[in-house]
Amino acid sequence: GAVVSQHPSRVICKSGTSVKIECRSLDFQATTMFWYRQFPKQSLMLMATSNEGSKATYEQGVEKDKFLINHASLTLSTLTVTSAHPEDSSFYICSARDSTGGRDSPLHFGNGTRLTVT
Amino acid sequence: EDKVVQSPLSLVVHEGDTVTLNCSYEVTNFRSLLWYKQEKKAPTFLFMLTSSGIEKKSGRLSSILDKKELSSILNITATQTGDSAIYLCAGITGTASKLTFGTGTRLQVTL
Repeated sequence: GAVVSQHPSRVICKSGTSVKIECRSLDFQATTMFWYRQFPKQSLMLMATSNEGSKATYEQGVEKDKFLINHASLTLSTLTVTSAHPEDSSFYICSARDSTGGRDSPLHFGNGTRLTVT
Repeated sequence: EDKVVQSPLSLVVHEGDTVTLNCSYEVTNFRSLLWYKQEKKAPTFLFMLTSSGIEKKSGRLSSILDKKELSSILNITATQTGDSAIYLCAGITGTASKLTFGTGTRLQVTL
């Protein structure tokens, strides 16, 4: 089945630094990828929709200057958390849909990145 | 605002029991509903339901969508300890093709 690789799986950084998370679709092309964050015992919250070759679409309340998204190719999207603060500590998950499958094909998820900001 | 509600929030059953998980949705331009199983990391896909009244089955798991009631159920028969996980349902909007997730049902299957 389709595989989405997310890296790193775990990162600890100091307050004020930036962290980049990569999301790759390994055996399919994805014109659209989605970034979610999940707090403990809560559901996945959509942060932004990453579109290949164009600007990302951010959900209400998500700061686009803080969470920079780049979707430079059909298989790679990156999320950079800039000037990270302890409240940014969370579990970040990306997902992607096979472009050839149309809008009704299911999303496949990466394994997530646990970010801890100290 | 799109909303997906799952119940119960958590459930503890004995191995061999049958469980029914509920999901109700209020999603603009609804297209489909998806069920995922989340263990330690990323959610894994279980079912996508687009048509009302048609049961989808995979082994001991089955699911059905009721568009009139704006709801779906996920059934697990003869539960095993490996079924212990958080089960998430999500609604897809037609316009943006994005998912709105429910808070999940935490299922624990004990021996």
